[in-house]
Amino acid sequence: GAVVSQHPSRVICKSGTSVKIECRSLDFQATTMFWYRQFPKQSLMLMATSNEGSKATYEQGVEKDKFLINHASLTLSTLTVTSAHPEDSSFYICSAGGADRAFQPQHFGDGTRLSIL
Amino acid sequence: GQNIDQPTEMTATEGAIVQINCTYQTSGFNGLFWYQQHAGEAPTFLSYNVLDGLEEKGRFSSFLSRSKGYSYLLLKELQMKDSASYLCAVVDSNYQLIWGAGTKLIIKP
Repeated sequence: GAVVSQHPSRVICKSGTSVKIECRSLDFQATTMFWYRQFPKQSLMLMATSNEGSKATYEQGVEKDKFLINHASLTLSTLTVTSAHPEDSSFYICSAGGADRAFQPQHFGDGTRLSIL
Repeated sequence: GQNIDQPTEMTATEGAIVQINCTYQTSGFNGLFWYQQHAGEAPTFLSYNVLDGLEEKGRFSSFLSRSKGYSYLLLKELQMKDSASYLCAVVDSNYQLIWGAGTKLIIKP
């Protein structure tokens, strides 16, 4: 069964809306979660690393004021796309597991397909 | 820079065998993953290699040569449901996952 739950699976909304995506680890406590974005026919791109109880670490080129990440507990991380625009339309995927220095596979959520009209 | 190369697309026949190659140049190496991703879905874990050699898991096998910066994923007895993208990802010296662009595998009857 799924070990990482991501919700919602699909969002369609108007430009300017803020959208929140939740990622929950079901079977374990995740001190670190990862947020990815994937455009059609392209590879996964790491956006940020979410750390429980501290600020997220963003990859170069990712606007932290636009993509707000909150990791309030060991089982929940949220990504909020603020004032979304059509260019933010993409497939957003979270993952957990794979502690920094353990050779564990990351378990992925089912992804959220975001469409901004 | 860090780079992972995989073929963009491959086609194979149901019941046959296919080998998907992955070459990498990264700052350090702490293991290599293979993931399967069906269209519109998140990736699922297939295999992990950190030592040289072949790891077999049912119809899927993964091979690693660290000296050559090379890995392959071998799929046997291909089934239609194996049509998907296969992603190669390397853990570098900072324990960051570096992702390849993926190989789209098309299975024909």
